[in-house]
Amino acid sequence: SQKIEQNSEALNIQEGKTATLTCNYTNYSPAYLQWYRQDPGRGPVFLLLIRENEKEKRKERLKVTFDTTLKQSLFHITASQPADSATYLCALAKSGGSYIPTFGRGTSLIVHP
Amino acid sequence: ETGVTQTPRHLVMGMTNKKSLKCEQHLGHNAMYWYKQSAKKPLELMFVYSLEERVENNSVPSRFSPECPNSSHLFLHLHTLQPEDSALYLCASSQDLGLAGWGNEQFFGPGTRLTVL
Repeated sequence: SQKIEQNSEALNIQEGKTATLTCNYTNYSPAYLQWYRQDPGRGPVFLLLIRENEKEKRKERLKVTFDTTLKQSLFHITASQPADSATYLCALAKSGGSYIPTFGRGTSLIVHP
Repeated sequence: ETGVTQTPRHLVMGMTNKKSLKCEQHLGHNAMYWYKQSAKKPLELMFVYSLEERVENNSVPSRFSPECPNSSHLFLHLHTLQPEDSALYLCASSQDLGLAGWGNEQFFGPGTRLTVL
């Protein structure tokens, strides 16, 4: 069966460090992968999209990598700040299908001052 | 108003009640979605509408009934719900379904926190 796995344990890091979150998937031929941020009691907010033929995408302090051989995406936040504390969701859309993304359950990031 | 709005933000209902959730998007998008988010579980896609036509229904119980009267509005009608239906219900929109494979960034509303007693 198709699975999207994100670490269920919260990631705790110190302010200024780089946070790295992982999204692994199985039994998918992804067309693209997205990362969203969700704050408590609010809807997710889109951050970045990376397509299956792209290796890396950057946006300000954010960087996403996509390795279709390892079936993994890494999401990095450099120079992390307490305001970056939130839950980060990855979502995959498979090629040849409806292209509507399926979401992972997310990983909570806590940045300590 | 900008973006995607949802009302009410909180709703408490008994199992015999009938209520409706409302979603409105001010982005000129053609696709709208209903998701259910329960604690510790991934977002569950419930319904998808494109140009007011329902294009996906993910085996959702009939006690949930969607309605899309136009491309800006989406409703979720609720009746005879169960306590396990308590969750955050999120509405989202996107420019289109992304069938070209280029991606469809979804814009989410703030959600309705539903509690079924």
